[in-house]
Amino acid sequence: SAVISQKPSRDICQRGTSLTIQCQVDSQVTMMFWYRQQPGQSLTLIATANQGSEATYESGFVIDKFPISRPNLTFSTLTVSNMSPEDSSIYLCSVDMLGVSYNEQFFGPGTRLTVL
Amino acid sequence: GQNIDQPTEMTATEGAIVQINCTYQTSGFNGLFWYQQHAGEAPTFLSYNVLDGLEEKGRFSSFLSRSKGYSYLLLKELQMKDSASYLCAVTDSNYQLIWGAGTKLIIKP
Repeated sequence: SAVISQKPSRDICQRGTSLTIQCQVDSQVTMMFWYRQQPGQSLTLIATANQGSEATYESGFVIDKFPISRPNLTFSTLTVSNMSPEDSSIYLCSVDMLGVSYNEQFFGPGTRLTVL
Repeated sequence: GQNIDQPTEMTATEGAIVQINCTYQTSGFNGLFWYQQHAGEAPTFLSYNVLDGLEEKGRFSSFLSRSKGYSYLLLKELQMKDSASYLCAVTDSNYQLIWGAGTKLIIKP
């Protein structure tokens, strides 16, 4: 299993500003993911954070808006840039852990972001 | 396109049994997961199915039929703490996880 922490747990931000969310894992992992979950909605994958190379973004998400860093195998950051109220959401970090027959995803507690 | 369908909300009584269905249309299939998510918390793993049939784990069971693109999560002896959202997710041919919107389960005394 993996224990994942995120900072901050919640924040209220002004339109036009940026917020950086940190994700720390208690063990080295290859794959780290950033998700967004809007109220009552499913998880939407933003990007896969790759150690030593640029993140891989999903359709509809771009690096200028959501820059990601992955300096080592236990840490990643997601920045939400030039925020608007539409960015209000819960942002979740997750990791893949390889089990006997499948990869299980473990999630951090999430960062609840409100943009005014 | 890829699609996973689950009921939006279900209500059940404490002590009873409830079945939450999930149907999927994906490009390939490499396994199906069920996750539980309490309000304001992160999802946590419940079960994994890759072969047809029933997987039982205590009060929770998960069933898969690959030919029908169908799964269900069965919860027995419901407790108030089972009130949560239940997310169905499928791994496609590229091993990417496709998530359903989740089923909010409300347990009444």
